[in-house]
Amino acid sequence: SQQGEEDPQALSIQEGENATMNCSYKTSINNLQWYRQNSGRGLVHLILIRSNEREKHSGRLRVTLDTSKKSSSLLITASRAADTASYFCATAPRFRDDKIIFGKGTRLHILP
Amino acid sequence: GAVVSQHPSRVICKSGTSVKIECRSLDFQATTMFWYRQFPKKSLMLMATSNEGSKATYEQGVEKDKFLINHASLTLSTLTVTSAHPEDSSFYICSARGRDAGRAIVDTQYFGPGTRLTVL
Repeated sequence: SQQGEEDPQALSIQEGENATMNCSYKTSINNLQWYRQNSGRGLVHLILIRSNEREKHSGRLRVTLDTSKKSSSLLITASRAADTASYFCATAPRFRDDKIIFGKGTRLHILP
Repeated sequence: GAVVSQHPSRVICKSGTSVKIECRSLDFQATTMFWYRQFPKKSLMLMATSNEGSKATYEQGVEKDKFLINHASLTLSTLTVTSAHPEDSSFYICSARGRDAGRAIVDTQYFGPGTRLTVL
């Protein structure tokens, strides 16, 4: 069953703007991961944030985690056309960390 | 590092035949491999988890006899779709995770590029 719910389902922004995607989940987690998927391709791991972390950066990516609200956000700054893709959050449940559960994803489209 | 390959990338078969998809970790030993299924514009659905040398653990609703998984070595897992039907047409993706230099299990899963299965 799916644990994460991304919001919004789809997002179109102008190149250069910042893109923010949110993810909410239901059960306690060990960690939360964000992945990117280009159309018809496999997934690329972007960033992992552990349950005891609140914020993490990687290049133009910034991820936050609020375990009290069971939510996370992914911010992509200074967006580029190559950022057009679907973005998924995935959670590793606390008592079943041998697997991760994916949300439905946000389709991001960067307009030139 | 941490590259996972899948073969074939695309396969078309007739209804009733069996199709085998391979998943390989190229530069690390995968203690665990995962198989997912993805419908168009949908999320990934975990089908099963396999640990090297042991039987796969299937998620609820996934038929074990339909989707045979073998994880014979630390670098190879195979998914065989038996007696394929048109409703089995989908995008199948594997992922793998291994251990770091200190032998601790790495949390990150590395994904293969996927296999597009079309059953006629």
